[in-house]
Amino acid sequence: ETGVTQTPRHLVMGMTNKKSLKCEQHLGHNAMYWYKQSAKKPLELMFVYSLEERVENNSVPSRFSPECPNSSHLFLHLHTLQPEDSALYLCASSQEAARAGDTQYFGPGTRLTVL
Amino acid sequence: AQSVAQPEDQVNVAEGNPLTVKCTYSVSGNPYLFWYVQYPNRGLQFLLKYITGDNLVKGSYGFEAEFNKSQTSFHLKKPSALVSDSALYFCAVRVSGYSTLTFGKGTMLLVSP
Repeated sequence: ETGVTQTPRHLVMGMTNKKSLKCEQHLGHNAMYWYKQSAKKPLELMFVYSLEERVENNSVPSRFSPECPNSSHLFLHLHTLQPEDSALYLCASSQEAARAGDTQYFGPGTRLTVL
Repeated sequence: AQSVAQPEDQVNVAEGNPLTVKCTYSVSGNPYLFWYVQYPNRGLQFLLKYITGDNLVKGSYGFEAEFNKSQTSFHLKKPSALVSDSALYFCAVRVSGYSTLTFGKGTMLLVSP
């Protein structure tokens, strides 16, 4: 897990707040991902970036806004969230986005609670 | 469309006994299969994967998995369970670089002393 770090580990926010989640990978990978993990549901892929370019956006509401300034850093900007957005948000990275056999390595996640 | 099924929400096993966590998949094409483990309040940790070649794949912490193409299965196994193996296990599949990594819903493994 030390290859991919995420901050903060826990976040509580009101529905009118604006906050950002940060992810950093130290593995020299070219692809980064955001996943949402909710209780009793499979992991949901939110966004995929390859060399700072967004290559996948899985019908995620616009209240979630990703940013990838370079291949090592990934942000998820949050605004006017809903209580159902409370979940564990996981960041991952892999060598290449388009290579199916590449392993994705995950960070420890940010536990988000929306009040 | 691709999918993964983990038919058991929970598997209980006594320490020292062999364990199996089941996974079946449905894809069009050749699958790339992965197993991950998640401990409480932690991210997913990679255990092993099948890309091609030998159907028996060995991974971290003594875990192994057998790819069975005819049964479209990729069950996770360990000869002797430890209490510390208690965690949530996820199977995942991908077909090509144009598809996403699809996860099963997870199986909770509980190893009793």
